Amino acid sequence: GDSVTQMEGPVTLSEEAFLTINCTYTATGYPSLFWYVQYPGEGLQLLLKATKADDKGSNKGFEATYRKETTSFHLEKGSVQVSDSAVYFCAVVSYNFNKFYFGSGTKLNVKP
Amino acid sequence: DAGVIQSPRHEVTEMGQEVTLRCKPISGHDYLFWYRQTMMRGLELLIYFNNNVPIDDSGMPEDRFSAKMPNASFSTLKIQPSEPRDSAVYFCASSLRGLHNEQFFGPGTRLTVL
Repeated sequence: GDSVTQMEGPVTLSEEAFLTINCTYTATGYPSLFWYVQYPGEGLQLLLKATKADDKGSNKGFEATYRKETTSFHLEKGSVQVSDSAVYFCAVVSYNFNKFYFGSGTKLNVKP
Repeated sequence: DAGVIQSPRHEVTEMGQEVTLRCKPISGHDYLFWYRQTMMRGLELLIYFNNNVPIDDSGMPEDRFSAKMPNASFSTLKIQPSEPRDSAVYFCASSLRGLHNEQFFGPGTRLTVL
């Protein structure tokens, strides 16, 4: 069945470091891909999305490219800030089956 | 817009009691989702509605859980009887025109069953 696999956390970085959080998916058809972020004590909010192969989603300095050949949607940011400390969730919607799956989440800690 | 509204924000109850969680989606949104988040199991989709009709309830853990959406502006998630393993944060989310569009999450209800 469809699924999403994220790298395990927590990820601890110093401020201004480069961030990569890996996400791979298994889905039939042509899924849409998402990254959501959850700040402490809050609900999730959409960070970025991509709906077709080679699309690049971007927001707040974060980017992710829809790679159909490797079934991946890795999240990157060139220079993280303390305020980026949160839990990041990769998610996939399988268009054929209208199902929605979240990954397990990756906690990011950014130290000053 | 006020966003998705959930109540109560915190609920503490004793095992065996009935618990009702409430959600008001963003006005005009036609999809409503209920999620459960725990450390052990992460974020789980329990059920979602489209135009007040339940579409997929395959994530509802067992018969003790039930969800209703009597109109476009209100939904409930009920647990009867509650058990300690139901302790979690329950999120409601809504979206416009489908799973492919952004889901807007409420602040969550933290449920503790003693």
